[in-house]
This record gives sequence, C-alpha cells and structure tokens, in this order.
Amino acid sequence: NAGVTQTPKFQVLKTGQSMTLQCAQDMNHEYMSWYRQDPGMGLRLIHYSVGAGITDQGEVPNGYNVSRSTTEDFPLRLLSAAPSQTSVYFCATSRGSSYNEQFFGPGTRLTVL
Amino acid sequence: EDKVVQSPLSLVVHEGDTVTLNCSYEVTNFRSLLWYKQEKKAPTFLFMLTSSGIEKKSGRLSSILDKKELFSILNITATQTGDSAVYLCAVEGGGADGLTFGKGTHLIIQP
Repeated sequence: NAGVTQTPKFQVLKTGQSMTLQCAQDMNHEYMSWYRQDPGMGLRLIHYSVGAGITDQGEVPNGYNVSRSTTEDFPLRLLSAAPSQTSVYFCATSRGSSYNEQFFGPGTRLTVL
Repeated sequence: EDKVVQSPLSLVVHEGDTVTLNCSYEVTNFRSLLWYKQEKKAPTFLFMLTSSGIEKKSGRLSSILDKKELFSILNITATQTGDSAVYLCAVEGGGADGLTFGKGTHLIIQP
C-alpha cells in the first residue's frame, strides 16, 4: 500500500518547456487535488477532481491542465513553463469529498529557469 | 474570497513550554477546519473540527473550534524538539471545492 506517490521528486525546466507531474494513489479515494506551496504563501489549490472524468479549477489554475481518466491517477500538465511556476507541488487525496482528511504525496520541487 | 489567518507566523520556545497557535477564518458555507504539521516535506494530518466547542485531543496536542467567533486554537503542552515544524490551518468552505490554507506558524522548540 504505497498511499500517494508523486514523480518526479525534483525537476528543472527551461522557460517554455512543457512537462507532466504525475500523481498516483492506491487508496481508492474519489477526491484528488493539486496544490502549490511557495515560501510565505501557504498551500494554494490549483485543480481538483471529485471522481474519474470530472475536474475543476481551484484558486490558481492558469498555466496548468489536468485530466482524470482513472480513479488512481491525476496528472498535472504545465503547458509552457514560466519562472513564476517555480514551486513545490503537492498532490492530495481524500475519501469522498474534500472535507475529509486529505493525504498528501511527498511533493515535487520544480524550478523553472 | 475565503481567508485563513494564522498567528503568530513564527514562535521560538524552550522545551517543556506550552504553546498556543491561533487560526482565524472567513469562509462562506463553513464545513470543517483542519490542522496539519509539516516538517520539511508533505503536511501530515493532525485534527479535523466540524462542531463548535468540541475539543479534539491526541497526546500532548489538542484543538478546539469556535464557530461563533470564527477561530480555532491548537495547543501543544510539554513541548519537545520533535514538535518543531510548520503548523498549517486549513478551512473547507464554499467556492472552490478544496481547502483554503493559512500561511502557517513556524514553531521552533529549543532544547
């Protein structure tokens, strides 16, 4: 039982490059979400999904796309990376709706040069 | 727009002291308030509070919610160096169906 896994752990991109951050969970949780954490800013919600085939925008969605084709996976795509997207990204899951306890993945530290 | 404000932003105390961390919030359609501990990696869940006046307790940590005054406190008694971390408060409310986090309280326990 791996819980919530994220890959890669670290990534350096050049401005304009695209990439996908992976998130997978084996807890059969319906709810999955992506947050970014910047120094002094707390965590901010990027996108979330309440189940396979359903996604919605959070507080800071611009520059990111998501899809949810299976219960287990919720990838986050950066279409054209910008230095402002340098951050630590966390994937979180919970059983049912978001107001249950959320389990966080280990995070991906992304640097955009 | 939902808002969560934590205070103090940082706190340094000595081992054995008792600390109180504060979290005030403004959200539409409040559902729950959660506390997390973050030690250089992913946040780990501490408590979820949904009803006013009910204390949640786990060992030396306890938390209480006041829905009338819109705040919560997290108490840590007999602090240990292992309690050093950033403590995050988050609220589930209306708007985006996710959590709104405060900026956190950076707690340092000196031996």
